[in-house]
Amino acid sequence: EDQVTQSPEALRLQEGESSSLNCSYTVSGLRGLFWYRQDPGKGPEFLFTLYSAGEEKEKERLKATLTKKESFLHITAPKPEDSATYLCAVKGGGSNYKLTFGKGTLLTVNP
Amino acid sequence: NAGVTQTPKFQVLKTGQSMTLQCAQDMNHEYMSWYRQDPGMGLRLIHYSVGAGITDQGEVPNGYNVSRSTTEDFPLRLLSAAPSQTSVYFCASSTSNQPQHFGDGTRLSIL
Repeated sequence: EDQVTQSPEALRLQEGESSSLNCSYTVSGLRGLFWYRQDPGKGPEFLFTLYSAGEEKEKERLKATLTKKESFLHITAPKPEDSATYLCAVKGGGSNYKLTFGKGTLLTVNP
Repeated sequence: NAGVTQTPKFQVLKTGQSMTLQCAQDMNHEYMSWYRQDPGMGLRLIHYSVGAGITDQGEVPNGYNVSRSTTEDFPLRLLSAAPSQTSVYFCASSTSNQPQHFGDGTRLSIL
């Protein structure tokens, strides 16, 4: 059974204070690791897909990295508008489609 | 391009009532799925479909029915609502090599 654990559950940063969110996973045959952002009252919004260890993706102040056991979402010089819940999910070898989600990290960036 | 559309956005039911949550996508995606999101539990898969006429159970299927008569629509039915089904419900769609796209959810309260 695929499992995803995200830490910390909540993170409070000052504007400009860089940090990282962690996603640890166990999966049989990784077919993709996904990062989503979720704003209050909205559905998850896709950010990145990573497929193999060593891969990195960047978008504005966010950079996602992947190892064989975990992924990190690095946030550089965050702004208040980066405040959201960040979700990590994996697609395992048992399905072409199904995702297993972690419980998310609630990020708050104070001005 | 509407993406994934969920209706209604909010609903209050009494215990024992039935209702259908609607989900429609206009991206010609073969895969559609329903999740529920509860505080501290993350996104949990209820039912999914890999094409018209094909459905299967996810992690928490009890109390819910689905059918898929067209590629575009994937309704979720509650036959006899229970307070434990109070939650936020998300529909998502994708192809096998794309990330899942989510609707903005239906917030359901059962009294």
